[in-house]
Amino acid sequence: GAVVSQHPSRVICKSGTSVKIECRSLDFQATTMFWYRQFPKQSLMLMATSNEGSKATYEQGVEKDKFLINHASLTLSTLTVTSAHPEDSSFYICSAVEGQGVTDTQYFGPGTRLTVL
Amino acid sequence: LAKTTQPISMDSYEGQEVNITCSHNNIATNDYITWYQQFPSQGPRFIIQGYKTKVTNEVASLFIPADRKSSTLSLPRVSLSDTAVYYCLVGYGGATNKLIFGTGTLLAVQP
Repeated sequence: GAVVSQHPSRVICKSGTSVKIECRSLDFQATTMFWYRQFPKQSLMLMATSNEGSKATYEQGVEKDKFLINHASLTLSTLTVTSAHPEDSSFYICSAVEGQGVTDTQYFGPGTRLTVL
Repeated sequence: LAKTTQPISMDSYEGQEVNITCSHNNIATNDYITWYQQFPSQGPRFIIQGYKTKVTNEVASLFIPADRKSSTLSLPRVSLSDTAVYYCLVGYGGATNKLIFGTGTLLAVQP
């Protein structure tokens, strides 16, 4: 149980294009999903908290117009990196929890490696 | 300033017990401490979660002192496949109950 998938696992795009990453909870309904970014040899940095049916809450320093998050259903959240640039190249990871509380256990997806040329 | 710190790296040998500590001085009153294992280019994998005292499951134990300002992940009899980065995840309350991952500990298990 508690399986989270991400698609695609790896994407390479040209600078200026937009990329959409999907995060799905496969065997449970996720009221809350989180999006993280991880640079090489660094820890995970929380980008935003996504609640089903409401606007995402972004962490300080994360541009909400650049990283568009949509949590349209209890099993799917999407992150769109708009007008991607090489500095956006990173490992993007989502997580999902069943309840509303952030103390609930987060289950992570396998990650998406984004490379912007 | 909320901070979650861990040793950068640890070395061990197969069959030994490994203890990894995490410091979280400003942990929120109601928040839990969760530990994850991460292999290169993969998402973190849940290991164990606890609130206070001791928690044990089939793969690890988690020790949390009464003041909850630190926690220790204990891995019994490690094997080569346990070589990975281990993270603690802690909440610090506030309006968004900010969750902060620890700095991560690279555990290298040698034969």
